[in-house]
Formats: sequence, structure tokens, C-alpha cells
Amino acid sequence: DAGVIQSPRHEVTEMGQEVTLRCKPISGHNSLFWYRQTMMRGLELLIYFNNNVPIDDSGMPEDRFSAKMPNASFSTLKIQPSEPRDSAVYFCASSLAETNTEAFFGQGTRLTVV
Amino acid sequence: SQQGEEDPQALSIQEGENATMNCSYKTSINNLQWYRQNSGRGLVHLILIRSNEREKHSGRLRVTLDTSKKSSSLLITASRAADTASYFCAPWREGGSEKLVFGKGTKLTVNP
Repeated sequence: DAGVIQSPRHEVTEMGQEVTLRCKPISGHNSLFWYRQTMMRGLELLIYFNNNVPIDDSGMPEDRFSAKMPNASFSTLKIQPSEPRDSAVYFCASSLAETNTEAFFGQGTRLTVV
Repeated sequence: SQQGEEDPQALSIQEGENATMNCSYKTSINNLQWYRQNSGRGLVHLILIRSNEREKHSGRLRVTLDTSKKSSSLLITASRAADTASYFCAPWREGGSEKLVFGKGTKLTVNP
């Protein structure tokens, strides 16, 4: 397995534009996590899914952020409209919930909103 | 809060020395995991210790867990420059929660 795959690796966009980040979890994993990392706030959990269902979205900063998981092999995190303070590295991770063991992280998407 | 808090925030040592990082948490746990993050990369799982274990080894890594004090430590022996990274702990709570939450981490610098 190629691991958790995120795209794009880098995204530069103008304020006000819509941004969509994509994640393909490891095949067979049923938990998926979206994180945001900045120097100021560290690694924040935004939302996590179990069996494609959003379980906890309390970390989503505001209504401009939305996440979907239409099937077990794909998830998106959308920001609309984007703002400069959304600039961060966004990570996706997946795990097998029943075993409560390790999570595997993607390489992240570095988002810059100018 | 479920997340762990790592201490110290930053640690700088010479190659060959041992590095010790600590983690404190507040809730009951099923297990506690340690992760490493190299600059600009995603987190990588290092080791998991279950709540009924007190100590675990993996190569140059030694993890201890004291559930009565709600604390864990990660020891890296004979450190190398390649160990330079940020280290995070993640307590995994009882009660079926699959939420994986991280603190600010310990930034370790190993000087050659």
C-alpha cells in the first residue's frame, strides 16, 4: 500500500477563493482524521470520520470549513471562502479503529492564502 | 481534555547523549502512543504502550507509563543527528473514543 495520499502537496490561492484538499486513506482503514498544523496553534484535530460518518467535528474552526467522506477511499476538506489565517499545513491520517493502534499520516498539504 | 502535554517544549543535546521527553495527560486511557515528526513531514508512529504495561522497548527507544501519575516518558538512547525531530504523545482514552489528539510536542535537536 502506498500509504495515506494527500493532494495537492502545495496550494497557493488568493483570499476569497475556494480550496479543496483531498485524501485517500489506507485501504481497509475505517477511521480518518483531518488535522491543521501551525506554529502558533500546533497540531489541531479538525474532524474525524468512522466508517465514512463524521463523528466529531468540534475542531472545525467555522462554517467556512466543511469535510466529506463519500466513500471509504476518499475524503475532502473544503474551505470556502479562504482567508490568509487559514494558511497552514493540513494533514490527513487513517487508522483501523477496532485495534486502537497506530495512525498513519499523509505528507500533508501546505496551504498558503494570499 | 484528552490530549497529552509534552515536556520540555524544546531539548538540545549532543550526539551520543540520551534524550528524555515526558508526557502528562488527564483522562483514563487504553493506550498511549508516541509519534515523531521530521520537519515538513507527517507524523510517524514510534511505539504504543498499553495501560496494563509499565515499560516497553523498541530499538533505542524506551517508553514508560505510570497510570497512577497519568504520565509517560520516552527515552532515546545514544542519540543521533537523525533523531532531530518533534516528538508527540497521544493518549487514547477508554470508552471507545477513537479521537487521536496531540499536544504541542517536544522539539529535539541532536547536535553532531
